[in-house]
Amino acid sequence: EVQLVESGGGLVQPGGSLRLSCVASGFTFSRYAMSWVRQAPGKGLDGVSVISGSGGTIYYPDSVKGRFTISRDNSKNTLYLQMNSLRAEDTAVYYCAKGGLGSPEDYWGQGTLVTVSS
Amino acid sequence: DIQMTQSPSSLSASVGDRVIITCRASQNISNYLNWYQQRPGKAPKFLMFAASSLQSGVPSRFSGSGSGTDFSLTISSLQPEDFATYYCEQSYSTPHTFGQGTKLEIK
Repeated sequence: EVQLVESGGGLVQPGGSLRLSCVASGFTFSRYAMSWVRQAPGKGLDGVSVISGSGGTIYYPDSVKGRFTISRDNSKNTLYLQMNSLRAEDTAVYYCAKGGLGSPEDYWGQGTLVTVSS
Repeated sequence: DIQMTQSPSSLSASVGDRVIITCRASQNISNYLNWYQQRPGKAPKFLMFAASSLQSGVPSRFSGSGSGTDFSLTISSLQPEDFATYYCEQSYSTPHTFGQGTKLEIK
């Protein structure tokens, strides 16, 4: 059974940093692209970042480029999202998902809430 | 980036009704179209890929069609557990992009 478990969310002040983690199990982690997708309160789904299985291909939208860094440790079956210079508009539930880079996001974690507020 | 537009944004229907949700891409995406269901407070659930292929375990009352720029999701006979928000997504190019969602509510 595929499982994705996120952690690391919380309340942070504007300009602050957080590091999200997603531990994967139930599939060969290194073979699959992984994505972070966020959902602001009452809003739709918005891709934040994607990384290939090897880590050699990474994409960010302009909204987070230069502030967020996606990475993975295939030896630990873990995906990361380092978020710096956080803004109020980054407030959202952040989901990690298996897939991306042409493959559907077929499994999702339960999400972790990031709140950016003073 | 490819823009995805769903209609309607919300829809009221009754148990047993047949409903259709449409999704339009801003450019040709072949059949790289996926559908997700999201219940309140839950993560999205993957329903369908390649426009019309059901993910394992998804009931057969769900069906999809379309190619190019115009797609649809049909639920043939609504069940109580189907009342949720539905999102289309294109996986033709990176970044993958989602429609704004269609909220299906009980009439």
